[in-house]
Amino acid sequence: GAVVSQHPSWVICKSGTSVKIECRSLDFQATTMFWYRQFPKQSLMLMATSNEGSKATYEQGVEKDKFLINHASLTLSTLTVTSAHPEDSSFYICSARVTDYHLQETQYFGPGTRLLVL
Amino acid sequence: GQSLEQPSEVTAVEGAIVQINCTYQTSGFYGLSWYQQHDGGAPTFLSYNALDGLEETGRFSSFLSRSDSYGYLLLQELQMKDSASYFCALRGGGKLIFGQGTELSVKP
Repeated sequence: GAVVSQHPSWVICKSGTSVKIECRSLDFQATTMFWYRQFPKQSLMLMATSNEGSKATYEQGVEKDKFLINHASLTLSTLTVTSAHPEDSSFYICSARVTDYHLQETQYFGPGTRLLVL
Repeated sequence: GQSLEQPSEVTAVEGAIVQINCTYQTSGFYGLSWYQQHDGGAPTFLSYNALDGLEETGRFSSFLSRSDSYGYLLLQELQMKDSASYFCALRGGGKLIFGQGTELSVKP
C-alpha cells in the first residue's frame, strides 16, 4: 500500500508557541490530504481537507486561523498549530487519498504526531 | 448530517470469531470502510463495501446492507495481535467520517 509519513512523531512545546507538522506521501502524489485529531480513547475527528494548490476546507467548529494548513506540493501538506494551548494537546493524524483505476478511493494514514502543550 | 454507531468494546478468546456491528445514518451513501488502529498507532485500512453483500479479505470479512443502513466486520481465527480498536467510517463528499470505535480485546 501507499506510504504516508509524518514529522515530527511527537512534540512538546510551551503554551503560546506555534508547532508545524508535516505530512508526506512517499511513493505517490496526493492532490488531497486530510488532517484529523484524536483524543485518547476517542474517534478520529476530521479537521480539514487539504487540496494541493488551493485553500483548505475546514470542518465546522475548527478555527482556520488557529490551524493553518498549506498543501504546496503534491507530496507535502503541513499543519501549523498557532499559539498552542494545553487543550490543543492531542494526536494529530494526516491521510492521503488515492484513487485507483476502478475509481475506488482509499485513504492511507500517516503514523500520527503526538502534541503535548505545557 | 452523518452519524455512525458501533459498540464501545468487545471481548473474545483466541481462535474464536467476533462480529463488530455498525449502523449509520447519512443523506448520501457512497460506501462503508473499516479501519484497525493499534494503541498509539495509525489507522490501517481493512475493508470497503459500496454494494450490499460480503467482502472477504483473509481472516477479515465485511458485510453491508444498504437497506438496513447496517454493516459489520467479521474477524475469524482471532489472534492476540487482533486486539485493537476498529472503526467503521462513512465515505461521502470525498471525506471519511469515523464512528466512535470498538475496542476489541482478545484473551488467551
